[in-house]
Amino acid sequence: EAGVAQSPRYKIIEKRQSVAFWCNPISGHATLYWYQQILGQGPKLLIQFQNNGVVDDSQLPKDRFSAERLKGVDSTLKIQPAKLEDSAVYLCASSVLRGLKYEQYFGPGTRLTVT
Amino acid sequence: GQNIDQPTEMTATEGAIVQINCTYQTSGFNGLFWYQQHAGEAPTFLSYNVLDGLEEKGRFSSFLSRSKGYSYLLLKELQMKDSASYLCAVRARTYKYIFGTGTRLKVLA
Repeated sequence: EAGVAQSPRYKIIEKRQSVAFWCNPISGHATLYWYQQILGQGPKLLIQFQNNGVVDDSQLPKDRFSAERLKGVDSTLKIQPAKLEDSAVYLCASSVLRGLKYEQYFGPGTRLTVT
Repeated sequence: GQNIDQPTEMTATEGAIVQINCTYQTSGFNGLFWYQQHAGEAPTFLSYNVLDGLEEKGRFSSFLSRSKGYSYLLLKELQMKDSASYLCAVRARTYKYIFGTGTRLKVLA
């Protein structure tokens, strides 16, 4: 099966500009996640969707970050305006329950550099 | 608060066995995951434990003790390609995944 797709792979912007990332999860995966991973750290959950509803967005800086998942499939994450500290890899993941086991798969990520 | 602890770095020799420990304190528990992440790449799923005990998958095994809030990942017959970061993550209440900072494993020839 095809994996989680993300675009773009790399993005360089100046602070105060806006940027958007796109994610297409694995077909049939109802749960979609956006993570922020700063160099040398583990991924930090920004927002979690179940179909097109938000399950958890407690760590999403809502003054500048927004995310949506229309029709319960693709998702976009937007940052407006960007700050220097937003430089990180933004990972999208989707998960499925197989029998009694949960499996979560990550996309290749978008490496954002804010200058 | 929610906390996951794992060692920052480990070094081992090719062909050896290495055990990476993880301790956790989370609100609710719906399973513990291990991921491998090579530099510049996305994490890849290695294992999932929700019941106490050992899960074996080829050269990799993962152990869980829920009463102790403890897990380990065991890598046997180490290969150079196993040099990577290993992330421990807990699926907590509301199915939220909480990740540790990762253990950087360096395999030496």
